[in-house]
Amino acid sequence: DAKTTQPTSMDCAEGRAANLPCNHSTISGNEYVYWYRQIHSQGPQYIIHGLKNNETNEMASLIITEDRKSSTLILPHATLRDTAVYYCIVLGTSYGKLTFGQGTILTVHP
Amino acid sequence: DGGITQSPKYLFRKEGQNVTLSCEQNLNHDAMYWYRQDPGQGLRLIYYSQIVNDFQKGDIAEGYSVSREKKESFPLTVTSAQKNPTAFYLCASTRTGTDTQYFGPGTRLTVL
Repeated sequence: DAKTTQPTSMDCAEGRAANLPCNHSTISGNEYVYWYRQIHSQGPQYIIHGLKNNETNEMASLIITEDRKSSTLILPHATLRDTAVYYCIVLGTSYGKLTFGQGTILTVHP
Repeated sequence: DGGITQSPKYLFRKEGQNVTLSCEQNLNHDAMYWYRQDPGQGLRLIYYSQIVNDFQKGDIAEGYSVSREKKESFPLTVTSAQKNPTAFYLCASTRTGTDTQYFGPGTRLTVL
């Protein structure tokens, strides 16, 4: 599975959009981009995933560049409860193995 | 509500004792997984099971054992052979044909 690179930490004001970038320059054609988040001392929470096209659900939007080498997770209106570690994961055929890197610590301020 | 439950949330054991962590799901998912997370680290796969009565070792299976006698249940036993058992243990499951894993709330095991 391809490796990912994310900023160590980011800040965001409550009510504003949080844009979390992820680089995955070695991604293969059949690998999906997944995003999870983990609030302290809780299990990871699935947010969204995509292959090529941009995706949107009730939690977030995922923008994948045309060359698929990077993506951005967008939380449109961040709240204090969105403060968490956000993980970008590229998942292909390695069955059952989610490889979590260090992730981005997002802190939402009042 | 459908979901994955892990119990207990906190568990304390003396060194040298085996301990079994519970994981139950009512999502009708076929595949289940056990991960370990150490402070400030990512998740590492211990064992996974794609179907009842079958399971495979992950990256760090030594010192652990599992069983999958029922679709809903995938208990993990941390044996005395595990050198550093103190960690946060997470169970997850997926529906057949998808790769999206859904996680339980975790069990924090402390071995004294």
